[in-house]
Amino acid sequence: DAGVTQSPTHLIKTRGQQVTLRCSPKSGHDTVSWYQQALGQGPQFIFQYYEEEERQRGNFPDRFSGHQFPNYSSELNVNALLLGDSALYLCASSLLTSGGPQETQYFGPGTRLLVL
Amino acid sequence: AQSVAQPEDQVNVAEGNPLTVKCTYSVSGNPYLFWYVQYPNRGLQFLLKYITGDNLVKGSYGFEAEFNKSQTSFHLKKPSALVSDSALYFCAVRDRSNSGYALNFGKGTSLLVT
Repeated sequence: DAGVTQSPTHLIKTRGQQVTLRCSPKSGHDTVSWYQQALGQGPQFIFQYYEEEERQRGNFPDRFSGHQFPNYSSELNVNALLLGDSALYLCASSLLTSGGPQETQYFGPGTRLLVL
Repeated sequence: AQSVAQPEDQVNVAEGNPLTVKCTYSVSGNPYLFWYVQYPNRGLQFLLKYITGDNLVKGSYGFEAEFNKSQTSFHLKKPSALVSDSALYFCAVRDRSNSGYALNFGKGTSLLVT
């Protein structure tokens, strides 16, 4: 049973560029959440997708956008990259119908983004 | 607003000794509480969660956590630490009353077992 997978594992971009990160959820899961983990910090919630729509959003600018596909996989897009966007980006999947807010989120290994 | 505090940046424990990693939370309603572990250059692995019921929750790898509503705490414990338990531990909270789905994480506690 495959867990959450993310690609690429590492990425280097320059300021002003755009980046797309990809996530495939754990088999059987229907919900994908994205988190940003800066060095030395806990993960910060970016947004969550369910049924191909953004269901909840954290305190991130609209440079951060996403998409969920019919097969439940998801993309995170970041435009106009800033140095401060350098972080580990984590994708988490869950099964909404398993119990709503009590459901467990399972995390992928992350994509480490470095903005120069 | 909901938040989590992990008051210790680092905890050092001798192998074989019991370990405790502390977590306190603040939510407007009743909480769902979670513990995750992160090994270097890896994502987060789920250890355990408190939803309702027994205040002592048992999880993976011999870990357990005790929910204390009066002290708003959810400390992670293990009776006998292993060197392989050395990692970064995160406590997270979700407020069940606001129907939100985001996990709010603490800053993490680095556990070193020698």
